[in-house]
Amino acid sequence: DGGITQSPKYLFRKEGQNVTLSCEQNLNHDAMYWYRQDPGQGLRLIYYSQIVNDFQKGDIAEGYSVSREKKESFPLTVTSAQKNPTAFYLCASREQGAVNYGYTFGSGTRLTVV
Amino acid sequence: QQQVKQSPQSLIVQKGGISIINCAYENTAFDYFPWYQQFPGKGPALLIAIRPDVSEKKEGRFTISFNKSAKQFSLHIMDSQPGDSATYFCAASIAGNTGKLIFGQGTTLQVKP
Repeated sequence: DGGITQSPKYLFRKEGQNVTLSCEQNLNHDAMYWYRQDPGQGLRLIYYSQIVNDFQKGDIAEGYSVSREKKESFPLTVTSAQKNPTAFYLCASREQGAVNYGYTFGSGTRLTVV
Repeated sequence: QQQVKQSPQSLIVQKGGISIINCAYENTAFDYFPWYQQFPGKGPALLIAIRPDVSEKKEGRFTISFNKSAKQFSLHIMDSQPGDSATYFCAASIAGNTGKLIFGQGTTLQVKP
């Protein structure tokens, strides 16, 4: 089945530690996105990539980094510079140039600072 | 101008009733308006979407009403069922752009049996 796989489902981070969230898709989609979800705030865009080896900052990129070395993979690193990283992180993809812009989302990673 | 404002934040409806969630936007360049449904611990799933050249789109029990002049759109869930209990997000995007979706704040719907 085609889809997006996010791992791990739950992740715990200690203060000052960097952690990496995995996002893999087998939909052959060009564009991939990372969103952060907090209660009552909807989904906020962290980073996005429209093509391999290229990515852009979203609205809340500070304290995060990404890479896009392969079309199917778009990992997100939450660095120690992110002061409030506890949240639900969602990865999504979309076929570039599609008539409709519907995203396919992964099942998310819940990150907690301990 | 990039915001999408969604209301209400939470909604309780009796089984068989109509659930209505509203969204408003400012940017007239938006031209794609999807609704997503999210169950706890899961990623959002596309429910239904509309473009501004039509005023209404219906898929089963779900209907989007779109008012271009008022810059508002709404989701109507007819004959609401307990299985519809979820969080609903409206969103907006601009054609030919990066495909970025701007999301509303979300509405938590509870349908009581």
